[in-house]
Amino acid sequence: RKEVEQDPGPFNVPEGATVAFNCTYSNSASQSFFWYRQDCRKEPKLLMSVYSSGNEDGRFTAQLNRASQYISLLIRDSKLSDSATYLCVVPPSGSARQLTFGSGTQLTVLP
Amino acid sequence: DVKVTQSSRYLVKRTGEKVFLECVQDMDHENMFWYRQDPGLGLRLIYFSYDVKMKEKGDIPEGYSVSREKKERFSLILESASTNQTSMYLCASSRDSPGYTFGSGTRLTVV
Repeated sequence: RKEVEQDPGPFNVPEGATVAFNCTYSNSASQSFFWYRQDCRKEPKLLMSVYSSGNEDGRFTAQLNRASQYISLLIRDSKLSDSATYLCVVPPSGSARQLTFGSGTQLTVLP
Repeated sequence: DVKVTQSSRYLVKRTGEKVFLECVQDMDHENMFWYRQDPGLGLRLIYFSYDVKMKEKGDIPEGYSVSREKKERFSLILESASTNQTSMYLCASSRDSPGYTFGSGTRLTVV
C-alpha cells in the first residue's frame, strides 16, 4: 500500500458547488497532516494543516478520520480560482520535517 | 515572507553532463529538501538535509548527490545526466515546523 493515496480526478464542478476529496494514508502513527495547493506550472503552497479531528478556514474544511486512516478536504461554494491540484501530505514515521506527498487531485471549477 | 530561490527556471542539458541545481533560502531554515515531480507520480523526495554538511537519502537518491556547505544553500548534483532525469525539480525549506516553502522549480530537460 502506498504511504499516501489520492484519487487523481479530474474533478470538474460548476461554480458554487461543494466538492470533497479524500486521501488515505498507511502510517497509523502519523499525527499531523496537510493539504497543499499547486496551481498549474507553479510550486505547491501550504493550504491547511490538520492536527486533530479537523480544521476549518473559510470555505475550506479539512477532516481527519484516524480509525479509517483518511483525511478529507471539503470546498464549499467553489470559485473559478479554486481550480488547482490539491496535494495530501503526511509526515512519515511521526517526523514532521520530511513530508510524503500524494500525487494530487486535480480540480477544475467551471463557469 | 520566506523566499526560496532556484537558480534556473528552465535548463537543457546533454546526456552525460554533470548538472548542478542550486537552491538558496533567506530565512535561516535548518531543513532543506530536493524533490522531483513527474506526471502521475507526484513529488518524490531525492535528498534532504537538517543541518550544514548533513545529508540524508530520500526515496529516489540514485543518480544524484547533494551538497550543503552553507546553511542557506542546498545544491543538487546530477553526476551524469540521463534522459530519465528529465523532470521538474523542486527545492523546499522549513524551520522545525511542518510547513514547507518551495522554490518555483527548475524544469530540466536532458537530451
